[in-house]
Amino acid sequence: GAVVSQHPSRVICKSGTSVKIECRSLDFQATTMFWYRQFPKQSLMLMATSNEGSKATYEQGVEKDKFLINHASLTLSTLTVTSAHPEDSSFYICSAPWGTELYEQYFGPGTRLTVT
Amino acid sequence: DAKTTQPNSMESNEEEPVHLPCNHSTISGTDYIHWYRQLPSQGPEYVIHGLTSNVNNRMASLAIAEDRKSSTLILHRATLRDAAVYYCLGSARQLTFGSGTQLTVLP
Repeated sequence: GAVVSQHPSRVICKSGTSVKIECRSLDFQATTMFWYRQFPKQSLMLMATSNEGSKATYEQGVEKDKFLINHASLTLSTLTVTSAHPEDSSFYICSAPWGTELYEQYFGPGTRLTVT
Repeated sequence: DAKTTQPNSMESNEEEPVHLPCNHSTISGTDYIHWYRQLPSQGPEYVIHGLTSNVNNRMASLAIAEDRKSSTLILHRATLRDAAVYYCLGSARQLTFGSGTQLTVLP
């Protein structure tokens, strides 16, 4: 199957700083990627849809000025958490659709963000 | 997106079959049924998807009810590595995750 990577796998930052998380499709191109957030013992929550060459689409309640998404190429999407606060600490996961009908989603391994 | 209902948890013995049920009574006629699983501290892993007919792949089988209001993921011989949270989703390309079923496999 297809492979999606994320970098870094875990990051600790101080409150008020910004953190960038990269999501790469390693062996296929993805015009669309999805970003999720997952708190402990909870399910994944879709944050936004990243579109190559155009603006991201954010889910209701997700601040687009706080979670900046850039889909710079067909294999790379980045999520920047700006002015991070402890409540932003979470597991961030990206995914990209794959397959002839793009119905299979391949997920990255996730990035554990801890804001101190 | 279709709302799905799954049991919170299930147990199985190792090397025995496991049937994981899912209700998706509001699914539209064109939405595929997807199954993913997630191990702790990892991203979800694609398992299988289908529309109307039953589907088989190397990981599992998917049995879809004739009215498409429910489906069952079948793991033919559970192993300890199959212990995970299993998510059933009914949607197009954008995936909305419910709470899933925590599968415990007993040795």
